[in-house]
Amino acid sequence: DQQVKQNSPSLSVQEGRISILNCDYTNSMFDYFLWYKKYPAEGPTFLISISSIKDKNEDGRFTVFLNKSAKHLSLHIVPSQPGDSAVYFCAAVNLGDNFNKFYFGSGTKLNVKP
Amino acid sequence: DVKVTQSSRYLVKRTGEKVFLECVQDMDHENMFWYRQDPGLGLRLIYFSYDVKMKEKGDIPEGYSVSREKKERFSLILESASTNQTSMYLCASTLPGGYGYTFGSGTRLTVV
Repeated sequence: DQQVKQNSPSLSVQEGRISILNCDYTNSMFDYFLWYKKYPAEGPTFLISISSIKDKNEDGRFTVFLNKSAKHLSLHIVPSQPGDSAVYFCAAVNLGDNFNKFYFGSGTKLNVKP
Repeated sequence: DVKVTQSSRYLVKRTGEKVFLECVQDMDHENMFWYRQDPGLGLRLIYFSYDVKMKEKGDIPEGYSVSREKKERFSLILESASTNQTSMYLCASTLPGGYGYTFGSGTRLTVV
């Protein structure tokens, strides 16, 4: 049973507009959430994270929002650029778990059109 | 610059072969992980290790084994490769209580 879900396998956005990627989770023990970005033939790279004590975290063009009651997080990219075209994975972890097992969503492929 | 290095970017193996995928990290991380990435399925955990010689099964361990004889090295072994093990394999490491994985560049394995 998938504990982290990304229900949109793909998203296409015009350059300069906002991209919104969504992620839902089921385990209320998760207390830290991350977004990773992956280009083809490369490993995922860390993008942005948020602790469960916050509801928003910003880093430049990237903002992550967390709605704990809905068990939902989203990644906003404003403005979107063609270089943002990649697969985005959300991940969740219970920091009390010594193994730091991350649970990943299935990914959303973002295409930013020039 | 901290690194997780996977020894091969691309591999082609025959059905039934024993395959070794190697991963080395230079960050003195205790925890290491092997994932496979498949379209529509995301990243699925195969095995992980939290210490030398220690290993735990992930979500899809069947057909795989692992070895961790040294802290910096974590090997994934396909005992008898099959076509359904054609995939992108990703190694990652982290400290206990650490806040993020560092991933390797991945190994694209094709089993023919």
